[in-house]
Amino acid sequence: EIVLTQSPATQSLSPGERATLSCRASQSVGSNLAWYQQKPGQAPRLLIYSASQRATGVPARFSGSGSGTDFTLTISSLEPEDFALYYCQQHSKWPLTFGGGTNVEIK
Amino acid sequence: EVQLLESGGGLVQPGGSLRVSCTASGFTFSSNAMAWVRQAPGKGLEWVAAIPSTSRDIKYADSVRGRFTVSRDNSRNMMYLQMTNLRAEDTAIYYCAKDIWGWTFDVWGQGTVVTVS
Repeated sequence: EIVLTQSPATQSLSPGERATLSCRASQSVGSNLAWYQQKPGQAPRLLIYSASQRATGVPARFSGSGSGTDFTLTISSLEPEDFALYYCQQHSKWPLTFGGGTNVEIK
Repeated sequence: EVQLLESGGGLVQPGGSLRVSCTASGFTFSSNAMAWVRQAPGKGLEWVAAIPSTSRDIKYADSVRGRFTVSRDNSRNMMYLQMTNLRAEDTAIYYCAKDIWGWTFDVWGQGTVVTVS
């Protein structure tokens, strides 16, 4: 099973700041990595697929990069609605696995 | 509007069975692979099962294989998860999700709560 390790577990930032979230895979997943956002009481929302492709309707301030084992989700300038939990997911090999999440909280 | 709606969750005793359903609308259900993903209280996301559009080559997480069965009825735009021999650790919100490409999920339902106690 491919283990995804997200860091940091919590990131405390202010609106307008840049957020950089990391996801590291225990073995190569190529570009088969997605990022999701989840707010309390809501279902996850797809942000990025294939490591760097923005999903429909996702603002341009969200960007994804990386390949192989190291991936990054960047939020260029945090808006109030961006404070949430973020998960990465690999779809390179079965079983599909998710990272443990990064909580982006208001500082 | 593309939408997924889960139903059928509830309280069940350990060892019991439950079937949850997912009703799809707003897209060509028969053309899309689908999956179930769960989230235990206060925990992260866990993939449970995946079913291609043709129902061939279904996949399960090790934690549910042999106890859970996923199926779909393309004529009714519905997907099901039959859960048997339920355990306390199966307590979670169960989400159905639509595959956009290569088992990434662009549409999610609101979830249905299953409590095993």
